[in-house]
Amino acid sequence: GAVVSQHPSRVICKSGTSVKIECRSLDFQATTMFWYRQFPKQSLMLMATSNEGSKATYEQGVEKDKFLINHASLTLSTLTVTSAHPEDSSFYICSAPGQGTGELFFGEGSRLTVL
Amino acid sequence: SQQGEEDPQALSIQEGENATMNCSYKTSINNLQWYRQNSGRGLVHLILIRSNEREKHSGRLRVTLDTSKKSSSLLITASRAADTASYFCATDLYNNNDMRFGAGTRLTVKP
Repeated sequence: GAVVSQHPSRVICKSGTSVKIECRSLDFQATTMFWYRQFPKQSLMLMATSNEGSKATYEQGVEKDKFLINHASLTLSTLTVTSAHPEDSSFYICSAPGQGTGELFFGEGSRLTVL
Repeated sequence: SQQGEEDPQALSIQEGENATMNCSYKTSINNLQWYRQNSGRGLVHLILIRSNEREKHSGRLRVTLDTSKKSSSLLITASRAADTASYFCATDLYNNNDMRFGAGTRLTVKP
């Protein structure tokens, strides 16, 4: 099956700094990628849809200036958490749809801890 | 926003027993999918059932879909300790891969 690589898997940063998370489709092209946030023992909450070559579509309540998304190529989307605060600590996961299969392929997730 | 609700929230069984998880959703769907998540990891796709299908099998997995009741069930037969994970249902409303996930069922299979 298709592989989505997400990096870094864990990051610890100081409050006020920015953190970039990368999501790559390794063996297929993804014009669309999805970014989620997951709190402990809870479901995935869709944050935004990343579109190659155009602006991301953010879900209601998600600050676009806080969570910057860039989808510069057909295999790479990045999520930058700007001026991170402790409340941004969470597990962030990306996914990309398989080509014509209807299923989503997920990265392994990135655990962000803001001190 | 969430779409599906799974029950139970948590399920603990012995190895060899069957595990049944249920999912209810609110609006019409194009397809419904089940995913598995090991702790601290990404999700893995298990099975997809389309709105015009009622039952689907894949190995030890059996999924049913009742669109009149807006519900689905996932049955894992002859469970193994390695099946311990969280299981999520997800619905694709518009056939555009914008999936909405339920709250999940945390399954523990004791050896």
